[in-house]
Amino acid sequence: GENVEQHPSTLSVQEGDSAVIKCTYSDSASNYFPWYKQELGKRPQLIIDIRSNVGEKKDQRIAVTLNKTAKHFSLHITETQPEDSAVYFCAASISNQGGKLIFGQGTELSVKP
Amino acid sequence: GAVVSQHPSRVICKSGTSVKIECRSLDFQATTMFWYRQFPKKSLMLMATSNEGSKATYEQGVEKDKFLINHASLTLSTLTVTSAHPEDSSFYICSARGTSGRAGNEQFFGPGTRLTVL
Repeated sequence: GENVEQHPSTLSVQEGDSAVIKCTYSDSASNYFPWYKQELGKRPQLIIDIRSNVGEKKDQRIAVTLNKTAKHFSLHITETQPEDSAVYFCAASISNQGGKLIFGQGTELSVKP
Repeated sequence: GAVVSQHPSRVICKSGTSVKIECRSLDFQATTMFWYRQFPKKSLMLMATSNEGSKATYEQGVEKDKFLINHASLTLSTLTVTSAHPEDSSFYICSARGTSGRAGNEQFFGPGTRLTVL
């Protein structure tokens, strides 16, 4: 089955710097890759997603890139702010197999003011 | 975005009792709902996929007789933890997937249920 690896497990940056989180997946049939932000004790919130027919997607300070050949995708956050501090999860999904999400291990991002 | 609710948000029970958790999609029909378990500082682990009107599909290693899932309507799925033990204590989160459009891929998560078994 699908396996998703996420790195790093923790990331500390200064406010204003960029943060990059990387994920790899194992099943080449995966075609949907969402990123979630989860604050302590709260539900995961979708922040951006990308489908396999697109190589890059951007939404204000957040961007995601996808390399299907290498089976990896990355989250880029620019101009980080303290409120970006949270745990971020990547996930992979195969749409025609019911759409179940397999999550990466998570990255705890800390943005220091 | 679409709204998913979970009830209760927090439950404390004695070892050996059963606990039912409800997951509702409030403003859309969810043909598929998913149940996840999350330990402190860990990732979300998929437990099972619940399709309306059919039996749930459990992930490897998840006991279907321990975690009973019922998806009786397009807006409600329930997870019952039977004969709960302290090791079942965890954060249980459901998600719902719509039938078309953006909701066709995106999963909308409930707020989670914190289960503590004494």
